[in-house]
Amino acid sequence: GAGVSQSPSNKVTEKGKDVELRCDPISGHTALYWYRQRLGQGLEFLIYFQGNSAPDKSGLPSDRFSAERTGESVSTLTIQRTQQEDSAVYLCASSEAGRGEQYFGPGTRLTVT
Amino acid sequence: RKEVEQDPGPFNVPEGATVAFNCTYSNSASQSFFWYRQDCRKEPKLLMSVYSSGNEDGRFTAQLNRASQYISLLIRDSKLSDSATYLCVVTTAGGYNKLIFGAGTRLAVHP
Repeated sequence: GAGVSQSPSNKVTEKGKDVELRCDPISGHTALYWYRQRLGQGLEFLIYFQGNSAPDKSGLPSDRFSAERTGESVSTLTIQRTQQEDSAVYLCASSEAGRGEQYFGPGTRLTVT
Repeated sequence: RKEVEQDPGPFNVPEGATVAFNCTYSNSASQSFFWYRQDCRKEPKLLMSVYSSGNEDGRFTAQLNRASQYISLLIRDSKLSDSATYLCVVTTAGGYNKLIFGAGTRLAVHP
């Protein structure tokens, strides 16, 4: 079946502009995660959604970052007033409820100029 | 101290070699453990779960030592296609809601 999809695959934006990144999880997966990976670095957890529970936002680096999820489907990650240090690959993953295995999308490569 | 620590490598080994990676974690209450693989400029993919009794999947063997809080991955008969970054992953205590990723160990297998 279809895996996790993300769009756009690449995004180049000017410093100070807002960007919106989209994630479509695997159908039936109630848990959804956003991560950030800077070049040559490990994955940084950003935010986690599980069903109707309040999201775990503990990884969001600043109030310029926010995310929403519509029910148990699409999620959007919004970065306001982008800065050059926001340049990274933003990865989305989903999993079944109660399962530790996560399935990742191909990521959105964000470049802030 | 990082929650999950790995030697970044790189480990440069010839084809056919056996190579082992270790990973340590700081939270003694961590529940579940995994190894993921990430190829260059690609997303991470689950390689295998790590069970308390140890488990094997073909050329790959994973071990967990809860007392010492470390996890290992052994790769036998290395192939060129094994070249990748191997990520050690643990769940936060109490549930599956958050995976903590190590920074990864890079493996390069050469002819």
